[in-house]
Amino acid sequence: QQQVKQSPQSLIVQKGGISIINCAYENTAFDYFPWYQQFPGKGPALLIAIRPDVSEKKEGRFTISFNKSAKQFSLHIMDSQPGDSATYFCAASPVAAGNKLTFGGGTRVLVKP
Amino acid sequence: DSGVTQTPKHLITATGQRVTLRCSPRSGDLSVYWYQQSLDQGLQFLIQYYNGEERAKGNILERFSAQQFPDLHSELNLSSLELGDSALYFCASSAGQGLGGYTFGSGTRLTVV
Repeated sequence: QQQVKQSPQSLIVQKGGISIINCAYENTAFDYFPWYQQFPGKGPALLIAIRPDVSEKKEGRFTISFNKSAKQFSLHIMDSQPGDSATYFCAASPVAAGNKLTFGGGTRVLVKP
Repeated sequence: DSGVTQTPKHLITATGQRVTLRCSPRSGDLSVYWYQQSLDQGLQFLIQYYNGEERAKGNILERFSAQQFPDLHSELNLSSLELGDSALYFCASSAGQGLGGYTFGSGTRLTVV
């Protein structure tokens, strides 16, 4: 059972454009929502995370938007750069589960120069 | 370098064999998590250890087992290997069991032939 659904599976964006990745979850016990960035041959690296008590969090060019009632959250990459080309994973966990993360299926982002 | 060390980086073995993957967590981290990443299943949680004790179990097959030693390094043992076990196996660590991102290692690529 996939508890975190991520879309799209892949996207291509021009340099300077906005990349948007969406995730939806089912488990209402989830209350921690991180995003990870993975380059080929590397492990995923934490990019940004949000708790449900805020609707938006911004760190540099990366913004998470969170909609608790819809059980959805999204990652926006502003002014996308070729160096942002990577696979992005959303994830979720309930605190009670000791930080066990459930990952979405991943989105491969290609930023064209 | 994330601080999480996984060895070996690559492993090729035959069906029916047994292998051991090793993980040294980031200095000071007490929790170790194992994930399997395959093309069709994404990042699947296998098991978590906290300070030597098993804390959470995910989709781990009975042919797989893990442990965390007193020096906090962890080993994932995979036995009676099948072709479908070919995947990237990631270890991640975190300071405790509370909120906060994982730090992933670079993974072990297992190929079963």
